[in-house]
Amino acid sequence: AQSVTQPDIHITVSEGASLELRCNYSYGATPYLFWYVQSPGQGLQLLLKYFSGDTLVQGIKGFEAEFKRSQSSFNLRKPSVHWSDAAEYFCAVGRYSSASKIIFGSGTRLSIRP
Amino acid sequence: GAGVSQSPRYKVAKRGQDVALRCDPISGHVSLFWYQQALGQGPEFLTYFQNEAQLDKSGLPSDRFFAERPEGSVSTLKIQRTQQEDSAVYLCASSPTPSGYSTDTQYFGPGTRLTVL
Repeated sequence: AQSVTQPDIHITVSEGASLELRCNYSYGATPYLFWYVQSPGQGLQLLLKYFSGDTLVQGIKGFEAEFKRSQSSFNLRKPSVHWSDAAEYFCAVGRYSSASKIIFGSGTRLSIRP
Repeated sequence: GAGVSQSPRYKVAKRGQDVALRCDPISGHVSLFWYQQALGQGPEFLTYFQNEAQLDKSGLPSDRFFAERPEGSVSTLKIQRTQQEDSAVYLCASSPTPSGYSTDTQYFGPGTRLTVL
């Protein structure tokens, strides 16, 4: 069965520092991977997605993620965070089939230290 | 343009009451999804519509949960005889493509926070 693990419940980084949020997935075939961000009172917004091809994916707001099959990981990175990046981040996995499910991880809450 | 909207944004119900949660997808979007997000957790899939057809309802936790999309646009999630464990944020998402393939980008609404006392 598909599953997603985000091992860090809460991370605090200083404004301007680099960021890496970890995501590990479990899936028997090539997964389809997503990162979403959820700000307070806002809906989930797609940051980026990976289906195939280049394993380094660029997203919106300066985020990128790298798919590493050997490590079953899809970590999210940003070279320099801004106070507005404070939010909840969700990694998710899906599969290309008629089943519409996307399986979400439990999320990582990002706080920014001034 | 307008995004996905949901109403009400907040709902407080007494245990045993019935509730109805509304989702207005982006105009023209064929696919519509409902998710349940418990406190401190990621969203969990409930059900999926392609136009008016409910193609996947495997995530509905019990027969107290019912969803419909009679004209292929607005959708309503109904919960009968609410229980405390139903307290959660209910998210709606829509997608422009006419299939449930999960490579589609889903556009999420702000959610309805349901509290059952």
